[in-house]
Amino acid sequence: SQQGEEDPQALSIQEGENATMNCSYKTSINNLQWYRQNSGRGLVHLILIRSNEREKHSGRLRVTLDTSKKSSSLLITASRAADTASYFCATSLIYNQGGKLIFGQGTELSVKP
Amino acid sequence: EAGVAQSPRYKIIEKRQSVAFWCNPISGHATLYWYQQILGQGPKLLIQFQNNGVVDDSQLPKDRFSAERLKGVDSTLKIQPAKLEDSAVYLCASSLVVGVSDTQYFGPGTRLTVL
Repeated sequence: SQQGEEDPQALSIQEGENATMNCSYKTSINNLQWYRQNSGRGLVHLILIRSNEREKHSGRLRVTLDTSKKSSSLLITASRAADTASYFCATSLIYNQGGKLIFGQGTELSVKP
Repeated sequence: EAGVAQSPRYKIIEKRQSVAFWCNPISGHATLYWYQQILGQGPKLLIQFQNNGVVDDSQLPKDRFSAERLKGVDSTLKIQPAKLEDSAVYLCASSLVVGVSDTQYFGPGTRLTVL
């Protein structure tokens, strides 16, 4: 079964609106990362949040982590058409010393101009 | 700084044929990963190298998939013989830090279609 599960699977919003994507996981983590994938391209790293952090910001991105609920959320503020992509959360398990990431199924975001 | 390079970008083969993918990671990155991404799913790790050595190949179908990383730099992933269910995008990624999970830098991927 998947370690990370994103919700919703698909999200469609208008330009200028905020987009929120959620990720839940099952086992304790070392850190959680969010990646973006444009159609037909490789993944691009967005942000990493460690297990002892609760919130991080990067530009228009805000990530929260609640280890008690085993969940994370990614907020994109003032969305743009260029934000249209698939977004994946990836978890690094707490006992994994090799750096392996386990990816969720992704949220497909569509931002309409 | 040059990114992760992969070739070819696209490959179409018939089932039971063999195919090979090539990856050149970012210079100086010790760790290299191969992922398989089936349409509509997230990437699944196939194999992870740290320099020349294999760290994790638990999800690599070893009866048909093989990978090597000679001299701790470039890597090749081979499928022989291919099956229909191998149709996917094969992503290569690299990271600088050894032993802990850090930012991974991905190449553009190779889209494989098995007919």
